[in-house]
Amino acid sequence: NAGVTQTPKFRVLKTGQSMTLLCAQDMNHEYMYWYRQDPGMGLRLIHYSVGEGTTAKGEVPDGYNVSRLKKQNFLLGLESAAPSQTSVYFCASSENRGDEQYFGPGTRLTVT
Amino acid sequence: AQSVTQPDIHITVSEGASLELRCNYSYGATPYLFWYVQSPGQGLQLLLKYFSGDTLVQGIKGFEAEFKRSQSSFNLRKPSVHWSDAAEYFCAVGGDAGGTSYGKLTFGQGTILTVHP
Repeated sequence: NAGVTQTPKFRVLKTGQSMTLLCAQDMNHEYMYWYRQDPGMGLRLIHYSVGEGTTAKGEVPDGYNVSRLKKQNFLLGLESAAPSQTSVYFCASSENRGDEQYFGPGTRLTVT
Repeated sequence: AQSVTQPDIHITVSEGASLELRCNYSYGATPYLFWYVQSPGQGLQLLLKYFSGDTLVQGIKGFEAEFKRSQSSFNLRKPSVHWSDAAEYFCAVGGDAGGTSYGKLTFGQGTILTVHP
């Protein structure tokens, strides 16, 4: 039981490049979330999903897209990376609305 | 809108001393409250949670927290800190208030704990 995994762990992009971050969970959770963590700002919700095939915007969705084609996977895409998207990205999942969330180890992204 | 305030950005204690990390929240219904810990370069690990019932909740690693509705607080405590407790601590509020909340958690800005030997 791996819990929540994220790939890649590190990535460096040039401005304007695109990439996709993959989150996978093996707990059969319905709810999945993408957060970004920046110093002094805690974690901010980018997008979330309440089940396979559904996605919704969080607090800071601009510049990101997501997809949840399979229940166990939640993908975060950056179509045209900007330096402001330099951050650590965390994926999380939960069984029910309001339940504790289980976090992945994070992806450190640098955009130059 | 839900929000969380952690007034202390950085706290330093000596090993063996007691600890209290403050958390104040704003939520329009009965909140679900959480404390997470993050070690450097790691993801977040749940320390404890409050959903309902007894307002004093016990967590892992000897931590406890007390929910005080009248003060909108959920402070984290530990009677004797160990060097391995040095980390960043996040308080979070969520809930099942329906509408568009969808169980999302709102996190505080975090409190960095330094432990002196």
